[in-house]
Amino acid sequence: GENVEQHPSTLSVQEGDSAVIKCTYSDSASNYFPWYKQELGKRPQLIIDIRSNVGEKKDQRIAVTLNKTAKHFSLHITETQPEDSAVYFCAASRGSGAGSYQLTFGKGTKLSVIP
Amino acid sequence: NAGVTQTPKFRILKIGQSMTLQCTQDMNHNYMYWYRQDPGMGLKLIYYSVGAGITDKGEVPNGYNVSRSTTEDFPLRLELAAPSQTSVYFCAADRGGSYNEQFFGPGTRLTVL
Repeated sequence: GENVEQHPSTLSVQEGDSAVIKCTYSDSASNYFPWYKQELGKRPQLIIDIRSNVGEKKDQRIAVTLNKTAKHFSLHITETQPEDSAVYFCAASRGSGAGSYQLTFGKGTKLSVIP
Repeated sequence: NAGVTQTPKFRILKIGQSMTLQCTQDMNHNYMYWYRQDPGMGLKLIYYSVGAGITDKGEVPNGYNVSRSTTEDFPLRLELAAPSQTSVYFCAADRGGSYNEQFFGPGTRLTVL
């Protein structure tokens, strides 16, 4: 089955700096890579996703990049703000076809933005 | 729309007791999931369902059972609770098909003593 590794497990940045979280996956058939944000005591919520036919996707201050050859994808947050403090999870799935509904999650990165 | 709702929010069980975690969605989504979240371990899939009457095991199904008699409801049953089942449980739903966002419920924090 799929295995998703996520690094780092914790990350502290100064407000206004950038943050980068990296994930690797093992299943070459995976082609859908969402990122979820979970604030303390809250439910995970999707913040951005990318499909394998796209190398990069941006949404305001967040972006995701994908390298299918190397089987890794990354989340980039620019101009970090205190409200970005949360746990971020990467995930992978086949996106379509058999088993497409099964997301495999990384273990999470706790991001702390220091004012 | 309420989205995905879960009850109870918190529960303490004694070893060997049983309980049902309730999950309801009003989005008319076919696919539903149960995850458990342990500290520092991400989300592990327990069971999932692709429609009423259809369920299947995920990565960590031992000690749990599910049923799906309606599109809206997907209860998770714990039989003979054990301390290893202390966790936060999340229910989720999506439309099914390709590349779909999973919508999560607020979670149930379960402690087994």
